[in-house]
Amino acid sequence: DGGITQSPKYLFRKEGQNVTLSCEQNLNHDAMYWYRQDPGQGLRLIYYSQIVNDFQKGDIAEGYSVSREKKESFPLTVTSAQKNPTAFYLCASPTAGGNTIYFGEGSWLTVV
Amino acid sequence: AQSVTQLGSHVSVSEGALVLLRCNYSSSVPPYLFWYVQYPNQGLQLLLKYTTGATLVKGINGFEAEFKKSETSFHLTKPSAHMSDAAEYFCAVSSYFGNEKLTFGTGTRLTIIP
Repeated sequence: DGGITQSPKYLFRKEGQNVTLSCEQNLNHDAMYWYRQDPGQGLRLIYYSQIVNDFQKGDIAEGYSVSREKKESFPLTVTSAQKNPTAFYLCASPTAGGNTIYFGEGSWLTVV
Repeated sequence: AQSVTQLGSHVSVSEGALVLLRCNYSSSVPPYLFWYVQYPNQGLQLLLKYTTGATLVKGINGFEAEFKKSETSFHLTKPSAHMSDAAEYFCAVSSYFGNEKLTFGTGTRLTIIP
């Protein structure tokens, strides 16, 4: 079955470290998104990519970076510049036209 | 620009009672509207969606929602709550004309009272 796979499920980061969250999809979708979820704040868009080798900043891109070298993959790097990275991160991918959007199972990032 | 407002961050209903979760949206173009459910430590699962056509949309697990353009609303209902409905629910909007970024509401946590 097609879907979105995020890894790792749980990740711990030390202060000053960069960490990368993986997102892979086998849906053959062009677009992929990264959201951050904090309690009581819903989901906020970090970065999105509408096509390979192109991506755009979302609403809260500071302290994050992405790449889109392959259609199937959209990794998110949480850099040391992100001052409050502890959150639940969700990768998503819409169908063409955007009338259905699929989500991964999410990744928990905790700063220790 | 688009936005979503979910009224009530926490809603509690008794088992067997009506579930009503409210969502109002703002969009400058015809919207696509979605309801997602999230169980603890999991991703989001699509409950139902409105794109075009019939304004009363039926989804999974007995939920339905009605798109009311005049009220800019897309409230989620279920006639009889079940314990397994306890979860967080998100309303979201995207636009018809290809802007596929979803804008989410802040979520409503539904608690079912036995």
